[in-house]
Amino acid sequence: RKEVEQDPGPFNVPEGATVAFNCTYSNSASQSFFWYRQDCRKEPKLLMSVYSSGNEDGRFTAQLNRASQYISLLIRDSKLSDSATYLCVVSRKGNLIFGKGTKLSVKP
Amino acid sequence: DVKVTQSSRYLVKRTGEKVFLECVQDMDHENMFWYRQDPGLGLRLIYFSYDVKMKEKGDIPEGYSVSREKKERFSLILESASTNQTSMYLCASSLPSRVGGNYYSNQPQHFGDGTRLSIL
Repeated sequence: RKEVEQDPGPFNVPEGATVAFNCTYSNSASQSFFWYRQDCRKEPKLLMSVYSSGNEDGRFTAQLNRASQYISLLIRDSKLSDSATYLCVVSRKGNLIFGKGTKLSVKP
Repeated sequence: DVKVTQSSRYLVKRTGEKVFLECVQDMDHENMFWYRQDPGLGLRLIYFSYDVKMKEKGDIPEGYSVSREKKERFSLILESASTNQTSMYLCASSLPSRVGGNYYSNQPQHFGDGTRLSIL
């Protein structure tokens, strides 16, 4: 099993849609979890941390299920500017492991 | 805001050359990292450092070395560049996390703009 697995997409959705990304991880000892966003030919940028109780930041909601080793990101009312690749990130001792990302394309 | 600055956005070198990629951060972060990113392979960790003069191998250290002489600066060195080292190179920094006396990089990492390196 890969350390961090994501559906590569692409997810093509209309403006205003709700879209969900899923991620699974293999190391049960992982303690920290993040979602990053990466625009084409740009560096990854932190979108949000993921907490055990789940957390929300505006239109974005992140959930963590430690028992299933599963992380999710929900985007509501998607905007054209949400088009990017979303990276699931999980800690392992010493550093972070980045998933390969899920590409989102929001169409007018 | 954290500022991570990489010395070049684009770089073209020839096979066999020794190549230096420089990274500087201004937030007094202890941890610094070098990654490469290739289509279909995602981000792969080359080397990281938790302190001055300290370095640890990542997942793909072969053909690379690093130098951390000052806290704010972390250099990646391609000892003898080869065409398979053509890639996007990303530097990152973060605050430290310590758990039980071990180093854990559990803080989010902040990235520089990246260097697109082409080896001809």
